[in-house]
Amino acid sequence: GEDVEQSLFLSVREGDSSVINCTYTDSSSTYLYWYKQEPGAGLQLLTYIFSNMDMKQDQRLTVLLNKKDKHLSLRIADTQTGDSAIYFCAEIGGSTLGRLYFGRGTQLTVWP
Amino acid sequence: DTAVSQTPKYLVTQMGNDKSIKCEQNLGHDTMYWYKQDSKKFLKIMFSYNNKELIINETVPNRFSPKSPDKAHLNLHINSLELGDSAVYFCASSQPDKGAFFGQGTRLTVV
Repeated sequence: GEDVEQSLFLSVREGDSSVINCTYTDSSSTYLYWYKQEPGAGLQLLTYIFSNMDMKQDQRLTVLLNKKDKHLSLRIADTQTGDSAIYFCAEIGGSTLGRLYFGRGTQLTVWP
Repeated sequence: DTAVSQTPKYLVTQMGNDKSIKCEQNLGHDTMYWYKQDSKKFLKIMFSYNNKELIINETVPNRFSPKSPDKAHLNLHINSLELGDSAVYFCASSQPDKGAFFGQGTRLTVV
């Protein structure tokens, strides 16, 4: 199967920027996604990037894609306590129709 | 309007019972999924359907049987429930250029 790797934990102070990193193995990935999961809730799609893009910005969120290194990152500017959650990286592989692979999730903790 | 809705939200049942979880999406997506999230929050794909046809069947015990009566519905039936089946089950639907949208999950507890 495909591998999507993320670090498990990240702690930041309120107001700082957070950067959550993800690596993947499928070189034919077409779309890459970031999801947020708050305690006891479902997964919320935050943003996504098509594989022919390098960067996408959406308000406080910036997604960077380095296709050569198969590295995806999510930067959250001015992180707030409400951003504390688990963030999942996911990709749909071009070679695996319909299969949406998830990383194990990064627990982001924001300290006041 | 809820985009992906699954019922029930909570399910507590005894070992050996048979139970079903229902899922419906009103987004017009072609692909629907069932995922299992374990206690460590790992999301594992179980099944994927595209236009009512099964396209992914991961290594899942055959006690789990998905059924897709139409493109908007994907139900999950589980026979002879075991303690290890306790988890949160998520339904999702997707179009590749729009991402996958998830239901709120069904927390299954087998006692």
